[in-house]
Amino acid sequence: EVQLVESGGGLVQPGRSLRLSCAASGFTFDDYAMHWVRQAPGKGLEWVSGISWNSGSIGYADSVKGRFTISRDNAKNSLYLQMNSLRAEDTALYYCAKDTVTILCDAFDIWGQGTMVTVSS
Amino acid sequence: DIVMTQTPLSLSVTPGQPASISCKSSQSLLHSDGKTYLYWYLQKPGQPPQLLIYEVSNRFSGVPDRFSGSGSGTDFTLKISRVEAEDVGVYYCMQSIQLPPTFGPGTKVDIK
Repeated sequence: EVQLVESGGGLVQPGRSLRLSCAASGFTFDDYAMHWVRQAPGKGLEWVSGISWNSGSIGYADSVKGRFTISRDNAKNSLYLQMNSLRAEDTALYYCAKDTVTILCDAFDIWGQGTMVTVSS
Repeated sequence: DIVMTQTPLSLSVTPGQPASISCKSSQSLLHSDGKTYLYWYLQKPGQPPQLLIYEVSNRFSGVPDRFSGSGSGTDFTLKISRVEAEDVGVYYCMQSIQLPPTFGPGTKVDIK
């Protein structure tokens, strides 16, 4: 079964850091680009960051550039998002999503259930 | 960034009746490779989004044929020929012709 499982979310104070993980299974992980997409409570979808199959191409939303770092470990079938200098506006459900291509970016055909990040003092 | 707009933002439909959602992009989504990078997703209540339509008009695996997509350039439409109760949720269009990929605001569909 093709599956993405996110972890690492939680309650964090403004200015602190958090690292999200996404464990992939059921497909050849290093054949595809991967992404993080977030959804603030009651709001729509916002792409956060994406990474190509070999980490050679990476992109960030302007809202997180310089604060968030995406990475992947193909040997561990895992995707990560290091989030630094967190702000209240980063509060959201963070989804891991698989692309349909190796590079950035096409369709997101598989999504995880998400991990909630709450930034509050 | 490419701005995606959708109309209507909400839709209440009688089961068995058709429904249509419009999506417009601020720039053409037709790439020089011949593909049009427009996608439709459905987010059912309490679930992650699921891919419905890719490249304007191609149904993703397992998507019922009552869903269809059409359009070109900057104007696109998602149609549901006969709405069923399981179709409730928020529908998003998305472009990925250029980074960042951007989503429309979503159209909430419910059943009358």
